[in-house]
Amino acid sequence: DTGVSQDPRHKITKRGQNVTFRCDPISEHNRLYWYRQTLGQGPEFLTYFQNEAQLEKSRLLSDRFSAERPKGSFSTLEIQRTEQGDSAMYLCASSPYSSGNTIYFGEGSWLTVV
Amino acid sequence: SQQGEEDPQALSIQEGENATMNCSYKTSINNLQWYRQNSGRGLVHLILIRSNEREKHSGRLRVTLDTSKKSSSLLITASRAADTASYFCATDEANFGNEKLTFGTGTRLTIIP
Repeated sequence: DTGVSQDPRHKITKRGQNVTFRCDPISEHNRLYWYRQTLGQGPEFLTYFQNEAQLEKSRLLSDRFSAERPKGSFSTLEIQRTEQGDSAMYLCASSPYSSGNTIYFGEGSWLTVV
Repeated sequence: SQQGEEDPQALSIQEGENATMNCSYKTSINNLQWYRQNSGRGLVHLILIRSNEREKHSGRLRVTLDTSKKSSSLLITASRAADTASYFCATDEANFGNEKLTFGTGTRLTIIP
């Protein structure tokens, strides 16, 4: 069990550019989540997948954001036309399918938009 | 939006003392979890307490849950410098399970050696 892996850990990009983050969940975890965390705040839910199906999306996830989990394993989160307000840490997490299970987080991907 | 609030926002204590932080939330829940986050790092799961439980222990951690008051507390006994971190509570929503956790604003704990 190698834990949830995220890549890249840090990304600095110019406003208007597109960025993509990758998450590899713990193997055999059916559920995968994306959260966003800004400085001094707790994480905020963005979206989650049950296998390859994206089952819920937050209103925080504007049309510039898209998340995929094509084969029910790794996931990508893409942000198009980045804005300075997108600067945050993007956290991925996974859990086994069933309620009441612990959710395991990765180390996060820091995004700085300049 | 943040579901709950941790109290205090920041706490500094001497090594060896006990640290208590509180969490309040707004909706009915299935479970409440506590996480630790070291500066710039991901979240580490500490403990999960179910809505039908009132108290739970794990090592130096003690968590209580009062669903009538919609509040929880985390006690860290015999604190160590390595406990310096931010602590967050997270709740799911009753009838929905772990699909979406809502986090509080966190308590920043500093242990003074």
